[in-house]
Amino acid sequence: NAGVTQTPKFQVLKTGQSMTLQCAQDMNHEYMSWYRQDPGMGLRLIHYSVGAGITDQGEVPNGYNVSRSTTEDFPLRLLSAAPSQTSVYFCASSYVTGPGRVAFFGQGTRLTVV
Amino acid sequence: AQSVTQPDIHITVSEGASLELRCNYSYGATPYLFWYVQSPGQGLQLLLKYFSGDTLVQGIKGFEAEFKRSQSSFNLRKPSVHWSDAAEYFCAVDDYKLSFGAGTTVTVRA
Repeated sequence: NAGVTQTPKFQVLKTGQSMTLQCAQDMNHEYMSWYRQDPGMGLRLIHYSVGAGITDQGEVPNGYNVSRSTTEDFPLRLLSAAPSQTSVYFCASSYVTGPGRVAFFGQGTRLTVV
Repeated sequence: AQSVTQPDIHITVSEGASLELRCNYSYGATPYLFWYVQSPGQGLQLLLKYFSGDTLVQGIKGFEAEFKRSQSSFNLRKPSVHWSDAAEYFCAVDDYKLSFGAGTTVTVRA
């Protein structure tokens, strides 16, 4: 199994450009999420999905869109990139075990907006 | 809403010495707690988790953590650190979504 696969690994965008960060998982997990990681701030939740067709906003959703048409894929779209969106982005998928969930993370996408 | 505090931004420890990383959480109900490790340029790997039961939990790579409800803490420990333990460590609490602390960077000196 590949686990959680993110593409691309690195990306440079110009301000105002749009792009989609891809995330795919092959573990049949219902719950998927996107985080951004910035120095000294840990990981902050952008959007999440509890299953195909269902998405919701996290802590820092502005400037990002998501959709979940299949269980496997959860792309993150930047509508009009801004320098403040320079960050490392992580996708995660989670499975339920007992009372809680366990998350598996992809390797990340390092995005620079100039 | 839950929150997680990791009071130590950076810890330096000698190889072979013990390590303890602090984590405090703010959450009203029974928390689901996690420790993750991130090596440079890598994603996050789960070290251990606490959902219920025994308050001392064992994880991978020789790590353990103790849940103390009275202190709202979930500190991570390792008796003898190896150079490969140099990484950033994140504590997290799950209330339908994961909330992370800011992380603690561990440097291991020879």
